[in-house]
Amino acid sequence: GDSVTQMEGPVTLSEEAFLTINCTYTATGYPSLFWYVQYPGEGLQLLLKATKADDKGSNKGFEATYRKETTSFHLEKGSVQVSDSAVYFCALDAGGTSYGKLTFGQGTILTVHP
Amino acid sequence: GAGVSQSPSNKVTEKGKDVELRCDPISGHTALYWYRQSLGQGLEFLIYFQGNSAPDKSGLPSDRFSAERTGGSVSTLTIQRTQQEDSAVYLCASRFQGGGVHNEQFFGPGTRLTVL
Repeated sequence: GDSVTQMEGPVTLSEEAFLTINCTYTATGYPSLFWYVQYPGEGLQLLLKATKADDKGSNKGFEATYRKETTSFHLEKGSVQVSDSAVYFCALDAGGTSYGKLTFGQGTILTVHP
Repeated sequence: GAGVSQSPSNKVTEKGKDVELRCDPISGHTALYWYRQSLGQGLEFLIYFQGNSAPDKSGLPSDRFSAERTGGSVSTLTIQRTQQEDSAVYLCASRFQGGGVHNEQFFGPGTRLTVL
């Protein structure tokens, strides 16, 4: 079945450090890929998405590129801020009859210190 | 405009009791999803409604779980004879489905269920 694997956390960084959170997936066909973020005390929000191979999703300084050859969708940010502290989830939508149904990774807790 | 709302925000119940969790999707969103977020299992899909079609129940963990969606809008997730392993945050999401574009799912704040 479809699955998403994220790097284990938690991740602790100093402000302005470079961030990478790894995400790999297993799916048949051509899934769409997403990163969701959950800030403390808030609900899940879509951070960025990519719907086909080689697409780059970007938002709020975060980027992720859909790499079909390595089945990966790693999240990166060049300079993190304290306000980026949150839980980050990688997810996929396998499409077809599963259209819209999301399969999530385990989540990665990010803490950024001043 | 209003987002996805869920009620109650917190529910504490005793093992063996039934509970009902409610979701009000964004107006006009035809697709509605329930997910469960728990420490041991992460975020799991439970059930999916699309318009008047039969729901996709493939994620429901047992026959104690059921859900309905009345009038294509409000949805209720029912858990019968609750068990301690049902303790989790139950998330609802809705999405406008159409236009050939992969549209965003909007999530509600969740209902935190604690089974004692």
